[in-house]
Amino acid sequence: AQKITQTQPGMFVQEKEAVTLDCTYDTSDPSYGLFWYKQPSSGEMIFLIYQGSYDQQNATEGRYSLNFQKARKSANLVISASQLGDSAMYFCAMREDPLGSNFGNEKLTFGTGTRLTIIP
Amino acid sequence: SQTIHQWPATLVQPVGSPLSLECTVEGTSNPNLYWYRQAAGRGLQLLFYSVGIGQISSEVPQNLSASRPQDRQFILSSKKLLLSDSGFYLCAWTLGNSGNTIYFGEGSWLTVV
Repeated sequence: AQKITQTQPGMFVQEKEAVTLDCTYDTSDPSYGLFWYKQPSSGEMIFLIYQGSYDQQNATEGRYSLNFQKARKSANLVISASQLGDSAMYFCAMREDPLGSNFGNEKLTFGTGTRLTIIP
Repeated sequence: SQTIHQWPATLVQPVGSPLSLECTVEGTSNPNLYWYRQAAGRGLQLLFYSVGIGQISSEVPQNLSASRPQDRQFILSSKKLLLSDSGFYLCAWTLGNSGNTIYFGEGSWLTVV
């Protein structure tokens, strides 16, 4: 089974509207972390936001927020007031922390991404 | 502040030729280092990770190898490239005790012809 699933290969959103990018994950570890990265056409992977499995509140970073629904294993990214510069690929990723693991080994598993296009 | 650099940014190599991609991290010590590959239109696949000098773990069997000759240097190599090695290679780092963010370099586009 896929550990990270992003069901939206592409999205078109009008400028200034809010957009939600879906991400569901699969893990049996009680401790894990969820990440969102933005990849513009230049290829660089830009870190956006992080949510720990034990965090009580949803993470927020400026216009980005993470809608974390633990019971549903969902970690959707919400971008408020979208801008033309938000057009990019967006990847959801998970780091699992199995009990007894070496915390020096934070491997990320990535989803297949969502291509977001903001329309003027 | 910490920064990560990798080079070359783009590379076109013939099949059967060797490969060397280099990555260095500045502003930190004893980072965990990673090499990821992204095939066209796909997500990232972890290739290698390293928690210290000379310590390399491979995630998938392949035509590539990695080395960490210095604390903040991570090298991806191949003796003989295959067409299937084409892709976008990303180096990344994190501090092992932070438990949080992994940061990526600018990436290297490799085309094997």
